Amino acid sequence: AQTVTQSQPEMSVQEAETVTLSCTYDTSESNYYLFWYKQPPSRQMILVIRQEAYKQQNATENRFSVNFQKAAKSFSLKISDSQLGDTAMYFCAFIASGNTGKLIFGQGTTLQVKP
Amino acid sequence: SQTIHQWPATLVQPVGSPLSLECTVEGTSNPNLYWYRQAAGRGLQLLFYSVGIGQISSEVPQNLSASRPQDRQFILSSKKLLLSDSGFYLCAWSVTPNSNQPQHFGDGTRLSIL
Repeated sequence: AQTVTQSQPEMSVQEAETVTLSCTYDTSESNYYLFWYKQPPSRQMILVIRQEAYKQQNATENRFSVNFQKAAKSFSLKISDSQLGDTAMYFCAFIASGNTGKLIFGQGTTLQVKP
Repeated sequence: SQTIHQWPATLVQPVGSPLSLECTVEGTSNPNLYWYRQAAGRGLQLLFYSVGIGQISSEVPQNLSASRPQDRQFILSSKKLLLSDSGFYLCAWSVTPNSNQPQHFGDGTRLSIL
């Protein structure tokens, strides 16, 4: 069975600084996809970034980038130039290819950006 | 553009009462549809998913059921709510059939059972 682990329940960062959120996963699948979702206090779940396992290049979306280490089954999220609006709970999620959209979520990391 | 609507936003129900939460998607056809539950401070647990009208798959045994009477309508129901049914319920959709397409979530329903 696939599992996703986020070992940091809470983190904080000063505005304009960089923070990295950790995520590890366990799977025997060779083809899969990884996502980071953000859930602000409004509780809406928002896609931040995604990574295809067959791509070696790390995904980047503006201030958000990932460090995907397939052999280590690690998928960390780096937020550069942190902004107050980045304050949210962040979830790492995994889905095996062809698995009809059955996302498996980690427990989440609460990120507080301090002014 | 595609949008997803979920209602009600907040619901307080007594134990033993029935439940009906509704989710609709606009701007796309034949989406995959999902119901998740999020316990306080926790990740999301997939409850049901549907790949088409009348096709429902259940991920965990529970007191809830789901139905898809129309292509873009997904309903979460219960005949008799339990205290343990409290939580935050999220509906989501994705494009079929590729699993690399992200899921898009509704705004959620906060359900409190008294």
